[in-house]
Amino acid sequence: AQSVTQPDIHITVSEGASLELRCNYSYGATPYLFWYVQSPGQGLQLLLKYFSGDTLVQGIKGFEAEFKRSQSSFNLRKPSVHWSDAAEYFCAVLKTSYDKVIFGPGTSLSVIP
Amino acid sequence: DADVTQTPRNRITKTGKRIMLECSQTKGHDRMYWYRQDPGLGLRLIYYSFDVKDINKGEISDGYSVSRQAQAKFSLSLESAIPNQTALYFCATSDFIFQEQFFGPGTRLTVL
Repeated sequence: AQSVTQPDIHITVSEGASLELRCNYSYGATPYLFWYVQSPGQGLQLLLKYFSGDTLVQGIKGFEAEFKRSQSSFNLRKPSVHWSDAAEYFCAVLKTSYDKVIFGPGTSLSVIP
Repeated sequence: DADVTQTPRNRITKTGKRIMLECSQTKGHDRMYWYRQDPGLGLRLIYYSFDVKDINKGEISDGYSVSRQAQAKFSLSLESAIPNQTALYFCATSDFIFQEQFFGPGTRLTVL
């Protein structure tokens, strides 16, 4: 069955430090890939998505993600974290346009001054 | 106005009561979804609908039912609420082409 894993349940980084959140998926073909962010008390918002083409995609709020087919990974990165980035981050996978999205369990990010 | 609205935002009820959570959207999307969120479990899909006449069970549909009254409205019902249905519930919409999901603000449901 198709699945999405986010190995890190919780990450703490210092403000200004770089960030990488990991996401791995299990599916034979290349699916559609997404990262969503959930700020405290709010619904989810799309950060970026990958459908095809350039494997490095840029998103909102200074985030980027890189698709690596050989590793079945779609890791999210940001070069310099801001305190407002503290939130829950969800990786998601869609097998085809006719399927439903599968969300990973999420990674909670804390930012310390 | 928000694109995806959910009512109520908070609800406390008792075991055995029937509860309806409502979702409305102005995005014009055909696809609508109901998720529940529990700490440490991420988002789990309850039901989804790809158009008005299409309803599908998600991974945790037991104890829930839905109604798609129109393209813009998708309601979730708990026929007889139980305490382990205490959770945060989200409605979302998407379209076929871009696939981005737009989420409502959530309904916090507590079953005593």
